[in-house]
Amino acid sequence: GAGVSQSPSNKVTEKGKDVELRCDPISGHTALYWYRQSLGQGLEFLIYFQGNSAPDKSGLPSDRFSAERTGGSVSTLTIQRTQQEDSAVYLCASSWDRNQPQHFGDGTRLSIL
Amino acid sequence: AQSVTQLDSQVPVFEEAPVELRCNYSSSVSVYLFWYVQYPNQGLQLLLKYLSGSTLVKGINGFEAEFNKSQTSFHLRKPSVHISDTAEYFCAVNRNSGGYQKVTFGTGTKLQVIP
Repeated sequence: GAGVSQSPSNKVTEKGKDVELRCDPISGHTALYWYRQSLGQGLEFLIYFQGNSAPDKSGLPSDRFSAERTGGSVSTLTIQRTQQEDSAVYLCASSWDRNQPQHFGDGTRLSIL
Repeated sequence: AQSVTQLDSQVPVFEEAPVELRCNYSSSVSVYLFWYVQYPNQGLQLLLKYLSGSTLVKGINGFEAEFNKSQTSFHLRKPSVHISDTAEYFCAVNRNSGGYQKVTFGTGTKLQVIP
């Protein structure tokens, strides 16, 4: 079956622009996560959606970052007024439920010029 | 607070030799433990997990890990590595807190298998 799909796979944009990253989780998965992996760093948790509950936004690094999950399926991560330190690979994952193994997408490589 | 420590950022090992990738965690509550692998130019894949039960868990590609509660460790092992095992390995700790899930990843260990 289809895995977690992320788009675009690569995004290059100028500093100050807004970007939207998209994640299509595996059908039926109730939990969805966003992470980022900066060069030379480990994975950094950003945000977690579980069903219809309010998301856990504790990992978002600033108020320029926001995420939505519409209809319990597709999610978009939005970064406003991008800065160079936002350059990273942004990974999305989904799982059947919390504490179940997460299935990861291939990520979006974001480069801010 | 919850943290995950992978002490070795890089581990070079000769082909067919055994390997151990170390992972220690700190958490004041019960946790679930995972190892993920990221092959070059690919996304993350689940290698194995510990949720409950037997402390020795077996995963894909001949890897296994042992949960040691007293030492708060979850080291990953393979008795004989192959060139194809060259990848980055991430240890992850997962716990529920107030109905919300908290996931913490280690910084990763790059395994370099030398022919």
